[in-house]
Amino acid sequence: RKEVEQDPGPFNVPEGATVAFNCTYSNSASQSFFWYRQDCRKEPKLLMSVYSSGNEDGRFTAQLNRASQYISLLIRDSKLSDSATYLCVVNVGKLIFGQGTTLQVKP
Amino acid sequence: EAGVAQSPRYKIIEKRQSVAFWCNPISGHATLYWYQQILGQGPKLLIQFQNNGVVDDSQLPKDRFSAERLKGVDSTLKIQPAKLEDSAVYLCASSLVGGSSHEQYFGPGTRLTVT
Repeated sequence: RKEVEQDPGPFNVPEGATVAFNCTYSNSASQSFFWYRQDCRKEPKLLMSVYSSGNEDGRFTAQLNRASQYISLLIRDSKLSDSATYLCVVNVGKLIFGQGTTLQVKP
Repeated sequence: EAGVAQSPRYKIIEKRQSVAFWCNPISGHATLYWYQQILGQGPKLLIQFQNNGVVDDSQLPKDRFSAERLKGVDSTLKIQPAKLEDSAVYLCASSLVGGSSHEQYFGPGTRLTVT
């Protein structure tokens, strides 16, 4: 079983849509959690940290459920510029990356 | 502020040849990481340095891969000899301190193709 599992997609959505990505992790001792964004043929960049209380950054909302070992990312009012791969990342003393979920926002 | 620098950006070699990659982290960042990202997968940590000491190299294939950070600043990653399965993007990242609690900043990567 992979340490961090994500649906690779692709998710194809129209502009303005709301889309949600999910991620599960296997190590119950995981310390912290993140979503990174990776554009095609570019390096990963931190999108946001994920907290148990949930956190929001503009159109992006991240949630963590430690009991279910489940992380989510919600994007509201999708823009063309949101097209990218979203990497779920878990800190177990080092960062473990999921394989990523690809989002394609269409006009 | 300058970001993480890596060179070369692209490299094509034949199997059994040797290759080296260079990374210069963000100024003042004590922790440096090398990751391997195979197409369709997320980055996988190969080695982590804290200043010039190795913190974690548990996933580094030590029979063929080596890395050093002699002066605690820039770093090189070497593969000798290369195999077809080493074809990947090699990403260098740095952070102010270790423990993965601080944001890691990635360089643009070196795309290696082994033929």
